[in-house]
Amino acid sequence: QAQLVESGGGLVEPGGSLRLSCTASGSIVSDSNMAWIRQAPGKGLEWMSYINKKGTTTYYADSVKGRFTISRDNADNSVSLQMNSLKAEDTAVYYCANLMTTLTIEDAFETWGPGTRVTVSS
Amino acid sequence: SYVLSQPRSVSVAPGQTATISCGGTDIKSKSVHWYQQKPGQAPVLFVYDDTDRPSGIPERFSGSNSGNTATLTISSVEAGDEADYYCHVWDNSRDQTVVFGGGTKLTVL
Repeated sequence: QAQLVESGGGLVEPGGSLRLSCTASGSIVSDSNMAWIRQAPGKGLEWMSYINKKGTTTYYADSVKGRFTISRDNADNSVSLQMNSLKAEDTAVYYCANLMTTLTIEDAFETWGPGTRVTVSS
Repeated sequence: SYVLSQPRSVSVAPGQTATISCGGTDIKSKSVHWYQQKPGQAPVLFVYDDTDRPSGIPERFSGSNSGNTATLTISSVEAGDEADYYCHVWDNSRDQTVVFGGGTKLTVL
């Protein structure tokens, strides 16, 4: 089964930036609509952003709109999340996931990466 | 914005049936997806489009969606089913956004 792997997490000060990447074996990323979801310590799942297969449509949660930017490089089979103006409340494990099909946006998240941890603290 | 409501916890004895609800206004008009998450692990898709199971997911797991409530039913519960379960829908009322329920901790007694 195809696997996704996130990278780029770490410790960053409030107001700082990080760029997360999601890559995969095979072409699962370049063939799929993709999303980022996060989970704060001890909390539930919170969706962050979506990008379609072609990279022409993106959506963001209100909590990160204007601060986070999702992008993709299909030639590199990767999707990224640029996170700026980070706040303490952005501390979480960040997962990338692919949507099951490209037929509808209202799809399930089929495969998840193991996640990368982001800690925003001074 | 659209809200999904799940019970915080459900407890069931081994071999019994567990039901986890996911409430939302007219949720029957949406496709509901369910994920299982065990401690320290990434979520795993268990039910999609209300009732369908990905390959490899046991038939003991089933979903339904009617009125204002979607339900994940786990029959013949096993100790290994103990986990957090999340429901998920897409909300297109304003812009396309994803809504997750708050999650339900299933405890196998």
